[in-house]
Amino acid sequence: GQQVMQIPQYQHVQEGEDFTTYCNSSTTLSNIQWYKQRPGGHPVFLIQLVKSGEVKKQKRLTFQFGEAKKNSSLHITATQTTDVGTYFCAGKGAAGNKLTFGGGTRVLVKP
Amino acid sequence: DTEVTQTPKHLVMGMTNKKSLKCEQHMGHRAMYWYKQKAKKPPELMFVYSYEKLSINESVPSRFSPECPNSSLLNLHLHALQPEDSALYLCASSLTGTARDEQFFGPGTRLTVL
Repeated sequence: GQQVMQIPQYQHVQEGEDFTTYCNSSTTLSNIQWYKQRPGGHPVFLIQLVKSGEVKKQKRLTFQFGEAKKNSSLHITATQTTDVGTYFCAGKGAAGNKLTFGGGTRVLVKP
Repeated sequence: DTEVTQTPKHLVMGMTNKKSLKCEQHMGHRAMYWYKQKAKKPPELMFVYSYEKLSINESVPSRFSPECPNSSLLNLHLHALQPEDSALYLCASSLTGTARDEQFFGPGTRLTVL
């Protein structure tokens, strides 16, 4: 079945620094979504990417969908303490109608 | 109203108990979902209702029984659970139930099975 993997599992970042988290699928995806879950909270939708090579920005967050639609990345610039949480990617394969979540990247920010 | 509500927030039950989790949304969404999330793991899809019909059942044990009385309400009936069923149960809703919909999650019910 479809597998979605995220690396790294954990990301310790100094406040003000940049970092990138990666999402890789075993199959071609028709779309990919990113969610953020704060500690003790619930997943909150951030963005959806649909087109090959698509890049979208939300303030300090940049999301990219790979040309082959098998990977995606989330880049955060000038990390702030409000960026703490777990970032999940979730993708839909060619078959079926459900999202498969990656394992998540847990982000910890050092002030 | 862009909120999904879930009750109760916390639930402790014995293995012989019967309990229900409730979820409600008033965004006019026609799809509702149940997810199970263990600590430090991603949400794991259990059931999807689309237009009040069960469209996806991810081979969930029969001790979990979903019910969708109408498009705004979703219940999860629990019976004879095991301690390994202890987890955060998340409800979500989306516009129509396609995998391109943005999903709106509720705050979850933290379930402990003794």
